[in-house]
Amino acid sequence: DTEVTQTPKHLVMGMTNKKSLKCEQHMGHRAMYWYKQKAKKPPELMFVYSYEKLSINESVPSRFSPECPNSSLLNLHLHALQPEDSALYLCASSQDRAGSSGVTDTQYFGPGTRLTVL
Amino acid sequence: GQNIDQPTEMTATEGAIVQINCTYQTSGFNGLFWYQQHAGEAPTFLSYNVLDGLEEKGRFSSFLSRSKGYSYLLLKELQMKDSASYLCAVRGDRGSTLGRLYFGRGTQLTVWP
Repeated sequence: DTEVTQTPKHLVMGMTNKKSLKCEQHMGHRAMYWYKQKAKKPPELMFVYSYEKLSINESVPSRFSPECPNSSLLNLHLHALQPEDSALYLCASSQDRAGSSGVTDTQYFGPGTRLTVL
Repeated sequence: GQNIDQPTEMTATEGAIVQINCTYQTSGFNGLFWYQQHAGEAPTFLSYNVLDGLEEKGRFSSFLSRSKGYSYLLLKELQMKDSASYLCAVRGDRGSTLGRLYFGRGTQLTVWP
């Protein structure tokens, strides 16, 4: 089973709203990732958690705030977003961040949340 | 810097064979991945290469030459459902690149009947 789930599937929010995106995996993976993807572009890495600790923050604006409550869950808290933040937000997980186990450390993606900021 | 290059678009006919090339220049290398992404959906894992040579998985095969910084994805017996974007990604192997995927821009494949 390589399933990563994300909720909600679609989200429309105003620039003053606060909302959260949720991601869950039950594969025992210890690395989890947030990506942002605009139309016809590849995914852009935002954050990486490894063993529930933030390992990488790709200079993402503070209006995006990640949280990893436990090894299975990853949240992305959104506040005061801009219309240009509208995109597909993808969560992914892998056995380990290091990739030392070869194909076992493949990143598996969730279905994404389609976010529209008005 | 990390540079992954692949063609933007390709077209082919149902039943045909298509080869999507990917060249890369990266500061480190710990495997190359191919993902398939249908419009509006998440990328799904297709194949992985870390050693030189060909990996075959049903209708899909992937090849890697590390010395040339080159990979290709070969799709045989094309079907309409193969119309999608194909993403080539190289995994970093050290420091701040450890475990990161560096993606090409994706190749949009259209399969015609």
